[in-house]
Amino acid sequence: DIQMTQSPSTLSASVGDRITITCRASQSVSIWLAWYQQKPGKAPKLLIYKASSLETGVPSRFSGGGSGTEFTLTINSLQPDDFATYYCQQCKTYSPLSFGQGTRVEIK
Amino acid sequence: QVQLVQSGAEVREPGASVRLSCKASQYTFTDFYIHWVRQAPGQGLEWMAMINPAGGSTSYTREFQGRLTVTRDTSTTTVYMELSSLKSDDTAVYYCARGRLPSAVTKSSWFDPWGQGTLLTVSS
Repeated sequence: DIQMTQSPSTLSASVGDRITITCRASQSVSIWLAWYQQKPGKAPKLLIYKASSLETGVPSRFSGGGSGTEFTLTINSLQPDDFATYYCQQCKTYSPLSFGQGTRVEIK
Repeated sequence: QVQLVQSGAEVREPGASVRLSCKASQYTFTDFYIHWVRQAPGQGLEWMAMINPAGGSTSYTREFQGRLTVTRDTSTTTVYMELSSLKSDDTAVYYCARGRLPSAVTKSSWFDPWGQGTLLTVSS
C-alpha cells in the first residue's frame, strides 16, 4: 500500500498570506496526485489533479507542484473562503486509493 | 450536470447491517467507476471500495473485506454499499464519488463529483 503523509497537520495563517502544504508518498506516484478542499459538513471538493492541473472553476491562487514522492499545494493571498481542511490523494494505484491525513488551515 | 445523490441518514445497533445507496445521473453510468469513502467524526478520509458499473467488478480495501459488499443496478443507475457486523467504530459519514477518468482508461483516478454524504450512526 502507498502511504500518504501531509505536513503540517494544522497551519495558522492570516488573510493575504501565502501558504504551502506538503504531501509525501511512501513510493513514487509519478504525477498521479490530487488535492481536495473540505469544509465542515460538506463533501470534499477537487482543486488540483495530476499534481499541477487546476480544476475548472478553482481560483488561480491555488497551485500544485511536485512529482514522484513529494508534492505541494500553495495558496497565494489566502482568502477568508480558503480556511478549510485540505487532503492529498494518490491516484497511481487503487486498492487502496489512499489519502493524506489532512491539513487544517485556520485563522491566526 | 453530473450528480450523485445519496440516501438519508441511518441508525443501527451493533451487529446489524446497513445498505446505503448512491444514485448517479447526467452521464453514462457504465463508463466510470464509483468509489466509497468514509470519514469518522473529526477524522480524515478513508477509501473503502470501488465498483465498475459496466460489469459489476469490485475492489475492496483489506480492512473491510468480508463485511462490505458493493453492488450496482444499471436500470436505476444506482450503486449500493452494504456493511455488515456493524461496530461503533463504523459511525461515520459515507461518501460515494465518481472517478473522473473513464473506466476504459484507468481504474485509478481522482474523484469528481462526490455525493453529499450519508451519516451512519452505530449505537445501542
